[in-house]
Amino acid sequence: NAGVTQTPKFRILKIGQSMTLQCTQDMNHNYMYWYRQDPGMGLKLIYYSVGAGITDKGEVPNGYNVSRSTTEDFPLRLELAAPSQTSVYFCASRTSQGGEQFFGPGTRLTVL
Amino acid sequence: QKEVEQDPGPLSVPEGAIVSLNCTYSNSAFQYFMWYRQYSRKGPELLMYTYSSGNKEDGRFTAQVDKSSKYISLFIRDSQPSDSATYLCAMSGNTGGFKTIFGAGTRLFVKA
Repeated sequence: NAGVTQTPKFRILKIGQSMTLQCTQDMNHNYMYWYRQDPGMGLKLIYYSVGAGITDKGEVPNGYNVSRSTTEDFPLRLELAAPSQTSVYFCASRTSQGGEQFFGPGTRLTVL
Repeated sequence: QKEVEQDPGPLSVPEGAIVSLNCTYSNSAFQYFMWYRQYSRKGPELLMYTYSSGNKEDGRFTAQVDKSSKYISLFIRDSQPSDSATYLCAMSGNTGGFKTIFGAGTRLFVKA
């Protein structure tokens, strides 16, 4: 049972490039989330999903897109990367009964 | 006004001290209250999870929720150097995919 896994661990992008951050969970959780964490700040919700095929915006969705074709996977797409997207990105999941969110180890992204 | 307010610290205490961490919030719809611990360059891990008002104890950790004052606290007894980390308060309602709002986090240093 690996929990929540994220790839890559680190990435440097040039302004205008695109990339996909991968997130996979093996706990059969319906709810999945993407957060970003800037230095000295808490986590800000980007997008979330309550099940395969269902996604919705969080607090800071601009510049990002998501899809949820399976229960296990919840990739986050960055189009036209900007320096303001330099951050640490965390994926999390939980059951539909609420309870604990399980976090992945994070992806550190730098946009230069 | 932010939905969740948390003093970022840093807070420095000697080993063995009692530590008090606090958050205030403005949204009366919050029903689930959590404390996460985050070590440097790691993902958040759940410490305490409380539903509605009251106290919850787990070993050296005690969480308190006062919904009438919109105030939550985490107490750490007999603090250890291994407790040095950032502590994030978090809270959610039971709608909208249990969207969770995080505080900015308090950095704690426990000196040996």
